[in-house]
Parts: sequence; structure tokens; C-alpha cells
Amino acid sequence: KAGVTQTPRYLIKTRGQQVTLSCSPISGHRSVSWYQQTPGQGLQFLFEYFSETQRNKGNFPGRFSGRQFSNSRSEMNVSTLELGDSALYLCASSSLGVGFSGYTFGSGTRLTVV
Amino acid sequence: DQQVKQNSPSLSVQEGRISILNCDYTNSMFDYFLWYKKYPAEGPTFLISISSIKDKNEDGRFTVFLNKSAKHLSLHIVPSQPGDSAVYFCAANYGGSQGNLIFGKGTKLSVKP
Repeated sequence: KAGVTQTPRYLIKTRGQQVTLSCSPISGHRSVSWYQQTPGQGLQFLFEYFSETQRNKGNFPGRFSGRQFSNSRSEMNVSTLELGDSALYLCASSSLGVGFSGYTFGSGTRLTVV
Repeated sequence: DQQVKQNSPSLSVQEGRISILNCDYTNSMFDYFLWYKKYPAEGPTFLISISSIKDKNEDGRFTVFLNKSAKHLSLHIVPSQPGDSAVYFCAANYGGSQGNLIFGKGTKLSVKP
């Protein structure tokens, strides 16, 4: 079956702009989580959606937001981009919420803010 | 405050020998632990997990050990192969934070032929 698909793979934006990233989970997976990976901070949890509802949120400013659609696809949005938002943004999907074989990750979207 | 720590940024091992990757955690509420492997330009790939009610879980060449009293887990890879060269992340989770994996900063494993 198809894996987690993230689009676009690469993105270059200018400081102050906004950006929307997309994630299509594995078919049947209702939970979608987003993570930011940077060299200094590693992988940090942004938020998780389950059945169109945000269930958990990490410690990121309000410029970072997300949503989930009825088909479980998810988008995250970053407004007023800062240079420090340059990172690999990873989406992960799962069929259950916790404690099992997997959150399956996509290959990520590499965002560069200039 | 880092709740999941991987204190060794890198590890180099000879092919055929054992690789041991370590992870420490501080939050006693964690009840599930996972190891992921990551190649450059790819997302992390799930390797193996362990519930806090167990102290060992095996899957082929990969074994994870959990020492709850020491808040320590380790991943053993035996025998190590060059294809195992990647960054390994330890992650933890607890029932009240479904979907929220707390990751360590990773250990880069290099397996030399």
C-alpha cells in the first residue's frame, strides 16, 4: 500500500511569507502528526490530528497551525516565516493513537527560508 | 529540558560486531518506547518498540532492552552490517499524549566493512 506522501518535497520561501505543507496519510490511518527536524533541536512534535480534531499540540508559536480533512489528509501552515523556520517538516500517520508498531513517516518537506 | 537523551552523537562499529545504542529518559510516565532509523533525505523508519511492562523485545538482528529503574533503554544490533549505517532515534510516548513522540537527538551509526 502507498506510504505517507508529503508535498512538496522542497520549498524556498522569503522571510515574512506564509507556507502550506500537505500530507496524505496511509489509507485507513486517522491519526496524523507533524514534526519539525532541525540540526540543533532534533525532531520536535508540532501537533497531532485525529478525525479532524487537534488532539495534541507541541510547544510552538501560534504561527504554526494545521488542520485535517474528512479524508484524513492534513495540512500545516506557517505564517510570517522566520529564518529559524528552515527545517525538514515530517508528517507521520498511524492507525491507532499509542503504543504499537508504528507511526509511519513521510519523506518530509525541506523548507528553506531566505 | 530534554526528556529523552541520546548522549552519544556518533558510534563507529566494525561489520559483524555488535552495535549498542543507548538512550536515557527522565519522564517516568512514558509507557512506550520506539527506535527509528533515518537515512539522509528520508523520513524516519520504524525499527522496534517496547512497552514499559516488558524489559526486552527482539526482532531479528535488533533487540531493545528496557531498564525502568535506571530509566534507560538500549538497542542492540547483532551482527552489524554496513547497510545499518544511519542515524538512530530513540522516542518515547505515554498514553495521555497520543501521537506525540518525544525524540532524542539521534546517534549516527557507522558500520565499517
